[in-house]
Amino acid sequence: EVHLLESGGGLVQPGGSLTLSCAASGFVFSRSHMSWVRRAPGKGLEWVATLSATTGNTYYADSVKGRFTISRDNSKNTLYLQMDSLRAEDTAVYYCAENWNLDFWGQGTLVTVSS
Amino acid sequence: DIMMTQSPLSLPVTLGQPASISCRSSQSLLHSDGNTYLNWFQLRPGHSPRRLIYKVSNRDSGVPDRFSGSGSGTDFTLKISRVEAEDVGLYYCMQGTQWPRTFGGGTKVEIK
Repeated sequence: EVHLLESGGGLVQPGGSLTLSCAASGFVFSRSHMSWVRRAPGKGLEWVATLSATTGNTYYADSVKGRFTISRDNSKNTLYLQMDSLRAEDTAVYYCAENWNLDFWGQGTLVTVSS
Repeated sequence: DIMMTQSPLSLPVTLGQPASISCRSSQSLLHSDGNTYLNWFQLRPGHSPRRLIYKVSNRDSGVPDRFSGSGSGTDFTLKISRVEAEDVGLYYCMQGTQWPRTFGGGTKVEIK
């Protein structure tokens, strides 16, 4: 059974940094493309980033390009999202998901950007 | 970017009655590989989001057969044949044909 567990969320000041983690199990992590998606309070879903398992290519939403970095450690079956220069509008629940088309999701971790 | 437009925003339904959600894309979702990457997702309180339908009409494992997807090109529909109480939540379509991935604005399904 696929299991994805996000962690690392919390309260951070504008301009600050935070790193999210997603521990994966139940599938061959090293062969899976992985994504991050977020949902701001009262808003809809927004795709954030995807990392290809095969090419290492990364894809980012314009809203986070240059500030967020998606990466993975296959030896730890873990996906990361390094978030820098955080803004109030980055406040959201962040989900990791498996594959290009988001086959399976975690339960999410809340990031609050506020002074 | 491909814009995804969902309707209605809110869908009050009677238990046991059918429900239908529309999703339209600003351009065709037919990929050069011949597939149409239109997905449907469900968000319920207290649960992880889950994908219900992929490539327009394929139900994910464990998804009840009262859920069905249809459509082609730019026009897609998610149908629930007989709404049950556990179907209350938010539903989103998403295109996986082009980068960036884009979602519809969401439809809230609630019981009348």
